[in-house]
Amino acid sequence: EVQLLESGGGLVQPGGSLRLSCAASGFTFSSYGMSWVRQAPGKGLEWVSTILAAGSDSYSADSVKGRFTISRDNSNNMLYLQMNSLRAEDTAVYYCAKHRGSGMRNWYFDFWGRGTLVTVSS
Amino acid sequence: QSVLTQPPSVSGAPGQRVTISCTGSSSNIGAGYDVHWYQQLPGTAPKLLIYENNNRPSGVPDRFSGSKSGTSASLAIIGLQAEDEADYYCQSYDSSLSGWVFGGGTKLTVL
Repeated sequence: EVQLLESGGGLVQPGGSLRLSCAASGFTFSSYGMSWVRQAPGKGLEWVSTILAAGSDSYSADSVKGRFTISRDNSNNMLYLQMNSLRAEDTAVYYCAKHRGSGMRNWYFDFWGRGTLVTVSS
Repeated sequence: QSVLTQPPSVSGAPGQRVTISCTGSSSNIGAGYDVHWYQQLPGTAPKLLIYENNNRPSGVPDRFSGSKSGTSASLAIIGLQAEDEADYYCQSYDSSLSGWVFGGGTKLTVL
């Protein structure tokens, strides 16, 4: 059974940093691209960042580019999101999601974690 | 606003059929990229509902179906049930943004 368990969320002041983690199990982690997707309170889903299976390449939304860094540890089945220079508009539930699909541009998210809440406020 | 446009809300009585549209452009759906759909029940994480335009993962009832044409896609639900009340999101890839995009979401109310 695929399981994705996020951790690391919490309250942080504007301009601060936070590191989210996602522990994966139930599948061959090193074979799949992984992403972070967020959802602001009462709002829709927003793709944040994606990292390829080997960790060689990553992609990020313009809204977080230069501030957030996605990484992975395939030896320990872990996904990370380092978030710096946090803003109020980064307040959201952050989901870890596994990718699947034929060809990167046709990827979809076949499994999601339960999410971790990040609140940016003074 | 979202790159993919969905109606904010739809509703239907139990047993009825409803459809949810997802309108994109030439840089996403119209470019030939697949459309996928997710169901988000209140207070829970999204769940994959339809992948690659019209395929259902194991365990998803055949009451749910997807289609795609031109720059748009649709999710159809027949035989509405109370448990279908949820938010539904479409998703694709956008070559102009170089990233994956979601629709704004549609809240389905079962009357």
